[in-house]
Amino acid sequence: EPEVTQTPSHQVTQMGQEVILRCVPISNHLYFYWYRQILGQKVEFLVSFYNNEISEKSEIFDDQFSVERPDGSNFTLKIRSTKLEDSAMYFCASSVSGSYQETQYFGPGTRLLVL
Amino acid sequence: GQNIDQPTEMTATEGAIVQINCTYQTSGFNGLFWYQQHAGEAPTFLSYNVLDGLEEKGRFSSFLSRSKGYSYLLLKELQMKDSASYLCASRSYNTDKLIFGTGTRLQVFP
Repeated sequence: EPEVTQTPSHQVTQMGQEVILRCVPISNHLYFYWYRQILGQKVEFLVSFYNNEISEKSEIFDDQFSVERPDGSNFTLKIRSTKLEDSAMYFCASSVSGSYQETQYFGPGTRLLVL
Repeated sequence: GQNIDQPTEMTATEGAIVQINCTYQTSGFNGLFWYQQHAGEAPTFLSYNVLDGLEEKGRFSSFLSRSKGYSYLLLKELQMKDSASYLCASRSYNTDKLIFGTGTRLQVFP
């Protein structure tokens, strides 16, 4: 069964450094998402992406964050200058379409620790 | 506004049945998802309801009442591997995002 994959599984970085989290969505999916989950808290939406542009973003997704689909398979989340509060599990998800009933399939996550 | 409430924790015995409730207040509500999440892992899709009623899928069933803003996930013949968090998530019209509850941590004991 096709799966969303993410690399790396764990990332440790110093405050102020840039990080890039990578995702390979399921191959026939057209909508891509990033969510995050701070330890012990809810899963929170960050951004959705379709047709090479941001479709929707949350208040969390400020100027420090950016997303890109650099080629036909990868989808990346960049955090320009990490803060301590960016420490969280970051999940990539994808769906066939953006239709409301379409299931979003989640990858295994990247655990980001900012020191 | 958007708000989802679920119990924080539940316990049950192997072989038993458990019902995990979820209430939501979601503007422009257009569907309710249940996901299972084992500790440190990704949420995995369990079920989707948009119309009132019960959807059955093997040992798992999910129910929705739109008028009451209420859903439940029913797990039958519990197994130890069902110990996990169960996340209720709603979706609205004209938005891509899922709004998640805090999740219900279920512990299954032998």
